[in-house]
Amino acid sequence: GAVVSQHPSRVICKSGTSVKIECRSLDFQATTMFWYRQFPKQSLMLMATSNEGSKATYEQGVEKDKFLINHASLTLSTLTVTSAHPEDSSFYICSARDHGSLYEQYFGPGTRLTVT
Amino acid sequence: AQKVTQAQTEISVVEKEDVTLDCVYETRDTTYYLFWYKQPPSGELVFLIRRNSFDEQNEISGRYSWNFQKSTSSFNFTITASQVVDSAVYFCALSEAETSYDKVIFGPGTSLSVIP
Repeated sequence: GAVVSQHPSRVICKSGTSVKIECRSLDFQATTMFWYRQFPKQSLMLMATSNEGSKATYEQGVEKDKFLINHASLTLSTLTVTSAHPEDSSFYICSARDHGSLYEQYFGPGTRLTVT
Repeated sequence: AQKVTQAQTEISVVEKEDVTLDCVYETRDTTYYLFWYKQPPSGELVFLIRRNSFDEQNEISGRYSWNFQKSTSSFNFTITASQVVDSAVYFCALSEAETSYDKVIFGPGTSLSVIP
């Protein structure tokens, strides 16, 4: 089956620093990748949709200058949390859609970010 | 208004009991997909089932079964003879043709605890 990986799985950073999270589709090409955020004991909320070679589309209320998304290849999207603050601490999950699929999204294992 | 409602926030059952997790959705689209995901304590989402709006057949997979009723906009999930390993948060989700299935809308989740 389709596999999506995320790196790192856990990261701790200091307030004010930036952290990059990678999302890779390992055995398929993903023209579209999605980034979700999940706060403790809450549901997943879509943050942004990234299309290979173009700018990401952000959901309402998500700061595009704070959460930089780059989808430079068909297998890699990155999310950079800039000038991180403790309130950005969350579980970040990416998903990728197979190039040949209209509706199937494959989810990565998630990255737990803790900002101290 | 929430598009996906999971009225049960937390459920506890004793091992071997049957348990049904409720999901009610709201959409104006005639074409859509419904999903169930399991999220164990590790955090990684586990895909359980996808059902399109034109397929109202109930499905059984081992101890899992799903009841899709368009008339009541419900897509309930039953675990038969529950086991401790079933303890997790379960999410019902919806994606719609209107958004080209890009946006997966997750319900708030139901936390299931199976007590030995």
